[in-house]
Amino acid sequence: GDSVTQMEGPVTLSEEAFLTINCTYTATGYPSLFWYVQYPGEGLQLLLKATKADDKGSNKGFEATYRKETTSFHLEKGSVQVSDSAVYFCALSDGSSNTGKLIFGQGTTLQVKP
Amino acid sequence: GAVVSQHPSWVICKSGTSVKIECRSLDFQATTMFWYRQFPKQSLMLMATSNEGSKATYEQGVEKDKFLINHASLTLSTLTVTSAHPEDSSFYICSARDQGLAGVYSYEQYFGPGTRLTVT
Repeated sequence: GDSVTQMEGPVTLSEEAFLTINCTYTATGYPSLFWYVQYPGEGLQLLLKATKADDKGSNKGFEATYRKETTSFHLEKGSVQVSDSAVYFCALSDGSSNTGKLIFGQGTTLQVKP
Repeated sequence: GAVVSQHPSWVICKSGTSVKIECRSLDFQATTMFWYRQFPKQSLMLMATSNEGSKATYEQGVEKDKFLINHASLTLSTLTVTSAHPEDSSFYICSARDQGLAGVYSYEQYFGPGTRLTVT
């Protein structure tokens, strides 16, 4: 079945460092890809998304490009802030079955230190 | 826009009792809602897909008689944990699927803030 694999955390960075969180997927059909963020004590929020190959999603300085050839959707940010500390989830939605179900990766905790 | 609320945000109940959790889409209609369970420092596990006006579709391994889901309107779905036991203690999260504007079909889901259930 479809699956999402994220790099294990926690990832600890200093403020203004470059961030990469790796995400790869296995899917049949043509999935849409998402990054969600969960701040401490809060629900998940959509960070960015891409619906087809080569699309780049971006928001709040974060970017991710849908790479079909490498089945990847890595999250990047050029300069992280303390406020970016959160858990980041990569997810895919099965585009062929039309169920709308999301399959999540295991989540990566990011801790940014001042 | 696209706000989803859950009530209560946390609940403590005694073993053997039932607990109902509400999930509401506040500013959009959601014919489909999803219920997840999240264990500490783990990912979200989809429990069931809730469709307005029809029976929920449960994921493999989820007891449908224990986790009763009702989706009575386009803005409300409820999850009832029946005869709760300590192993049911968890963080329960719902999401609602925005069917999109102007007929554009969207897979985007909007998540509620979650409900912390503790069974003693």
